[in-house]
Amino acid sequence: DQQVKQNSPSLSVQEGRISILNCDYTNSMFDYFLWYKKYPAEGPTFLISISSIKDKNEDGRFTVFLNKSAKHLSLHIVPSQPGDSAVYFCAAGRSVGSSNTGKLIFGQGTTLQVKP
Amino acid sequence: EAQVTQNPRYLITVTGKKLTVTCSQNMNHEYMSWYRQDPGLGLRQIYYSMNVEVTDKGDVPEGYKVSRKEKRNFPLILESPSPNQTSLYFCASSFGSHTEAFFGQGTRLTVV
Repeated sequence: DQQVKQNSPSLSVQEGRISILNCDYTNSMFDYFLWYKKYPAEGPTFLISISSIKDKNEDGRFTVFLNKSAKHLSLHIVPSQPGDSAVYFCAAGRSVGSSNTGKLIFGQGTTLQVKP
Repeated sequence: EAQVTQNPRYLITVTGKKLTVTCSQNMNHEYMSWYRQDPGLGLRQIYYSMNVEVTDKGDVPEGYKVSRKEKRNFPLILESPSPNQTSLYFCASSFGSHTEAFFGQGTRLTVV
């Protein structure tokens, strides 16, 4: 049972346009979410995160939106650049009281290609 | 330089021959974790550790062991590797599971 799903295996956008990567989750207990980017032959690198007390978090060209009622989050990249071409993973975790459980569930990943 | 170091980067082994993949971090992070990446399945958490001597199972712990005897090291042990453990493995560390994690370069393991 895939608790975190990225239903689009790939996405292609033109340089300068907006890239929107989507992620759905099934477990309503998840209360923090992270996005990672991965280039070939490298480990993933952290992009941005959001906790369930917020519905938006912004960092430069990257914005993450969280819709708790729909159990959906999305990553917006504006404007997209060729260097953004990579695999993007969303991940979800949950806290117990004031502690994090430590367990993280990742999606399958979406390959973004930004064309010059 | 802040980094997570995994060794080896590539490994080909035979079924049943015990192996250890090492992971070391120099950022004094409390939280460390192991993942495997397989086509179409994304990253799946194998084990994680919230601190020294505190480890717990992730999503796919079967066939793996870990230990956390000191803060900087978190080795992944395959006591009796099988072909279905052929995968790309990543170690990661962070101050907490909900914070920015730093990943190693990966270990490509092939079990024949």
